[in-house]
Amino acid sequence: EVQVVESGGGLVQPGGSLRLSCAASGFTFSSYSMNWVRQAPGKGLEWVSYISSTSSYIYHADSVKGRFTISRDNAKNSLFLQMNSLRDEDTAVYYCARDVRGYSYGPCDYWGQGTLVTVSS
Amino acid sequence: EIVLTQSPATLSLSPGERATLSCRASQSVSSYLAWYQQKPGQAPRLVIYDASNRATGIPARFSGSGSGTDFTLTISSLESEDFAVYYCQQRSNWPPTFGGGTKVEIK
Repeated sequence: EVQVVESGGGLVQPGGSLRLSCAASGFTFSSYSMNWVRQAPGKGLEWVSYISSTSSYIYHADSVKGRFTISRDNAKNSLFLQMNSLRDEDTAVYYCARDVRGYSYGPCDYWGQGTLVTVSS
Repeated sequence: EIVLTQSPATLSLSPGERATLSCRASQSVSSYLAWYQQKPGQAPRLVIYDASNRATGIPARFSGSGSGTDFTLTISSLESEDFAVYYCQQRSNWPPTFGGGTKVEIK
C-alpha cells in the first residue's frame, strides 16, 4: 500500500526555522518526483516546492524562494522541506504529494494527511 | 503565473442531480489540467488528470472535458460522498497553480 506520512510541523515564532519530513512507503520512491503543497486555514491550495526523482530539477514558489529548500534522500525513502525565516503567512497545513509516474508538478495521485505549521509569536 | 478561475464558487444540488463545474485558465494550458476533490479535514484526492482521464478508483460518473483555456468537470448523478470542494490545477507552466475551488453542497 502506497503511503506518504508527514511529520515535523508545530508552533514556531516568526523568523524561526522548521524542517518537515515525509516518509514514503509501498512504492519505489526513487522513481517518482515529489512535491510540497500547502493550505492556509480555510483557504485554497498553494504549490510550494517540487523535486524530480533524482533531485536534478528543483523549483520553489516565489513566495518561499530563498527561505525554503526541498530535498530528498532516496536511500531512506524520505522527502524534506527546510523552512527558514518563517512568516505569519506561512501558517498552513503542509502536504507531501507524489506525482503520477512520469509527470512533473502534478497531477499528484497520493497525498499525506498533512502536518500543521503555525507561525506565531 | 497562470490564473485559474473556477465557477461557480458554490453549487447547491440534490443527490441524483448533475453537477457541472467550470475552470477557466488565463492562458492556454493545453490539456495539462487536473481536478481534485477535497473533503473537510482530508487531503485532496485526484479525480481527473490530463483534462479527461479518470484517476484510479474514480467512478465513471465523473468526467472531464476541455482543452486550451476552458475545462469542465461533470458529475453525472451526485452521490452523497461527492459533496465536497473541487479544485482544478494546471501543470503547463511553473509554478503549477490551483483554482479557488467550487464547493458542491447539498441543497
